[in-house]
Amino acid sequence: QQPVQSPQAVILREGEDAVINCSSSKALYSVHWYRQKHGEAPVFLMILLKGGEQKGHEKISASFNEKKQQSSLYLTASQLSYSGTYFCGTEVMYGGATNKLIFGTGTLLAVQP
Amino acid sequence: KAGVTQTPRYLIKTRGQQVTLSCSPISGHRSVSWYQQTPGQGLQFLFEYFSETQRNKGNFPGRFSGRQFSNSRSEMNVSTLELGDSALYLCASSTGQGGNQPQHFGDGTRLSIL
Repeated sequence: QQPVQSPQAVILREGEDAVINCSSSKALYSVHWYRQKHGEAPVFLMILLKGGEQKGHEKISASFNEKKQQSSLYLTASQLSYSGTYFCGTEVMYGGATNKLIFGTGTLLAVQP
Repeated sequence: KAGVTQTPRYLIKTRGQQVTLSCSPISGHRSVSWYQQTPGQGLQFLFEYFSETQRNKGNFPGRFSGRQFSNSRSEMNVSTLELGDSALYLCASSTGQGGNQPQHFGDGTRLSIL
């Protein structure tokens, strides 16, 4: 039931782009994205609802393909501050919306000068 | 607005003991969720409380329990501690109006079992 994230890790130079994918075997109600820096709490980035919605946050955007049960996080023109571990959290569709988030194992992103 | 507050920040216990962790949510948030974070397993959902009722539960043994008080503060209890319980325990609060709500995380309690 745990969503699969890919890649597990990625190293970028400042200004480069990256894509992080999140796939689930279950029908999803929504997908959440969080970033966690070392030694800190995860920080909410955005929520995407079923319907193929695309959202943006600064230079970070995401899409949600309901049919494929996949979400992708796009980081453009990366900055040093983007470094951290990115988690997708999925709400499985059963009995209506819930607050039960199942997280992927995370993608470690390192941005170098 | 104050964020989610977890106490204590660090805890060292021995096998067989029990422990209680505390979480104060953001003012006005009625839902509190608990997660266990370990290097190998990532963020694992423990349970969620809303208006003093457990609304969702993860796949953890009965040694893990929780409760929520009328002021939305929540406690998590782990009995008969095992070495494998060493982890960072995070709580997160949200408004709780159904799903699709951002989770606001506290800094966590790091539990070490000797």
